[in-house]
Amino acid sequence: ETGVTQTPRHLVMGMTNKKSLKCEQHLGHNAMYWYKQSAKKPLELMFVYNFKEQTENNSVPSRFSPECPNSSHLFLHLHTLQPEDSALYLCASSQGDREYGYTFGSGTRLTVV
Amino acid sequence: AQKVTQAQTEISVVEKEDVTLDCVYETRDTTYYLFWYKQPPSGELVFLIRRNSFDEQNEISGRYSWNFQKSTSSFNFTITASQVVDSAVYFCALSENNAGNMLTFGGGTRLMVKP
Repeated sequence: ETGVTQTPRHLVMGMTNKKSLKCEQHLGHNAMYWYKQSAKKPLELMFVYNFKEQTENNSVPSRFSPECPNSSHLFLHLHTLQPEDSALYLCASSQGDREYGYTFGSGTRLTVV
Repeated sequence: AQKVTQAQTEISVVEKEDVTLDCVYETRDTTYYLFWYKQPPSGELVFLIRRNSFDEQNEISGRYSWNFQKSTSSFNFTITASQVVDSAVYFCALSENNAGNMLTFGGGTRLMVKP
């Protein structure tokens, strides 16, 4: 399997639920990212991991908890979300060399009810 | 000030029209990279092109062409003879030396091509 794979593609959860988003890449990249894309809003960077270490947390509320067990996997754990957290959550990876840009997954469309 | 500005939030054209998507960037770096990504309704951002700051040659790939002008800090994207399948959100992005390997994205331009 190539590219960046995100699961699930769609998720509906209640405000009291706990769920996790998964991102996986087999490109040999060493940096991984979570982005949030709300309707008609710019892409918002949430978290950055380089070689499994978190290097950026863009003032994200604690109800979003990332986990990067290795360079190929990235999770976003969700708990007690709000309806305004409904959005498309995109994962991306890169080689860490800035000239190559990012490879994106197809995203998880999250709806909080 | 935004580092990457895509002033056109939405553009609507009729099939076969040419359309240009504007991108203006801001950086103090002498070495940087610019990118365009396409986001179709399926959600995934698809890489279209990368350009480094030392290469001001314009590029053409089929119906797509890119005009990089350092003098105006612009990296515009033109679609010739647009098709309905070109309908998507297009993002311009900048990678700077002092930002490590992070991309700064513009706000995106939603292109709607009507039959």
